[in-house]
Amino acid sequence: DAGITQSPRHKVTETGTPVTLRCHQTENHRYMYWYRQDPGHGLRLIHYSYGVKDTDKGEVSDGYSVSRSKTEDFLLTLESATSSQTSVYFCAISDPGQQINQPQHFGDGTRLSIL
Amino acid sequence: GQQVMQIPQYQHVQEGEDFTTYCNSSTTLSNIQWYKQRPGGHPVFLIQLVKSGEVKKQKRLTFQFGEAKKNSSLHITATQTTDVGTYFCAGWSGGSNYKLTFGKGTLLTVNP
Repeated sequence: DAGITQSPRHKVTETGTPVTLRCHQTENHRYMYWYRQDPGHGLRLIHYSYGVKDTDKGEVSDGYSVSRSKTEDFLLTLESATSSQTSVYFCAISDPGQQINQPQHFGDGTRLSIL
Repeated sequence: GQQVMQIPQYQHVQEGEDFTTYCNSSTTLSNIQWYKQRPGGHPVFLIQLVKSGEVKKQKRLTFQFGEAKKNSSLHITATQTTDVGTYFCAGWSGGSNYKLTFGKGTLLTVNP
């Protein structure tokens, strides 16, 4: 498996608290992605990064922010967590070529519960 | 925006039966990828299809990309209990924006 580490693996917190999830890669891949996975919705893209300090929104970005200060780390922050953000969060990495999209490799996920 | 529809949502089969999941995109795709997620696990890349009408095989798995590059299918022959999991298709529309749009997946369960 690709060298991707997500932390924490599990977290329970209360509504209104800030939460930061970390994704760390050792593959030196340019692209990093944050997805959330919910029953009946599949994988939905929250934010992605195409380089250090270069990020863009996905389809469900409201309530989330990201930062990438180093190639290897991509942080996802919930500024004020809500119960609707209870989900499993996956980080993925990719190193696209010039003309073709390359596979994404996923971390093991973070199970986040907001009470 | 781009949408990728995948059917069926669930499929239960007896071991040894065949299984097919279908994927349809609202827009023409540059390529399509397939992933498998075992229960409690993370998605794992299976294959990528790029050419119109392309067919690729991996042992008992056959992947097809439609002529119009808007649909794809995954067919498993003679399912085994190890095939259990959720199968996702994911499409890329091209350009410099390397985002995938995932289908909602098909959960396959196999009765031994």
